Amino acid sequence: EAEVAQSPRYKITEKSQAVAFWCDPISGHATLYWYRQILGQGPELLVQFQDESVVDDSQLPKDRFSAERLKGVDSTLKIQPAELGDSAMYLCASSPRYTEAFFGQGTRLTVV
Amino acid sequence: AQSVTQLGSHVSVSEGALVLLRCNYSSSVPPYLFWYVQYPNQGLQLLLKYTSAATLVKGINGFEAEFKKSETSFHLTKPSAHMSDAAEYFCAVSERNYGQNFVFGPGTRLSVLP
Repeated sequence: EAEVAQSPRYKITEKSQAVAFWCDPISGHATLYWYRQILGQGPELLVQFQDESVVDDSQLPKDRFSAERLKGVDSTLKIQPAELGDSAMYLCASSPRYTEAFFGQGTRLTVV
Repeated sequence: AQSVTQLGSHVSVSEGALVLLRCNYSSSVPPYLFWYVQYPNQGLQLLLKYTSAATLVKGINGFEAEFKKSETSFHLTKPSAHMSDAAEYFCAVSERNYGQNFVFGPGTRLSVLP
């Protein structure tokens, strides 16, 4: 069964360091999402891609966060510099249309 | 813009009892609605979805949900809770326009007592 792959599963980084997360969506899914989930809350959209183009990044803190999907396949989300408040689960999802989103296992980030 | 509310951040039921998790949505256009389940340190798994076919939707693991337009609700039910159902449950809405994202509620944590 096809799955959304994310790495790493867990990441501990020091405040002010750079960190990057990788996501490989299900083959053929044109839409890719990055969500941030703070412990005890629902996922919140950071950025949405349609192929290689950004559709919505209105909630992405652009002073420190960046995301790219250069060839319209896999994607990287970067934080530089990391802050204590960035500690959260970062979830990647992909969708063939708008009928459902398929999620990866997530990356649990801890900033110390 | 669409939004989701989930009444009750934590619900406890006894094993074998009825599970009822509440979801109300707000959407300016006919929505697609979803229930996802999340186990600790895992991603979200789709339980079921409403995409304008039958208003009573059956999902995996014995769960079902009913879309009620007049009440703007999409409550999740299961007749008999099992210990393995203990998890976090999220209701989500997506508007029926291609390219729209999925907006999630705050979640309800379900505990199942022996």
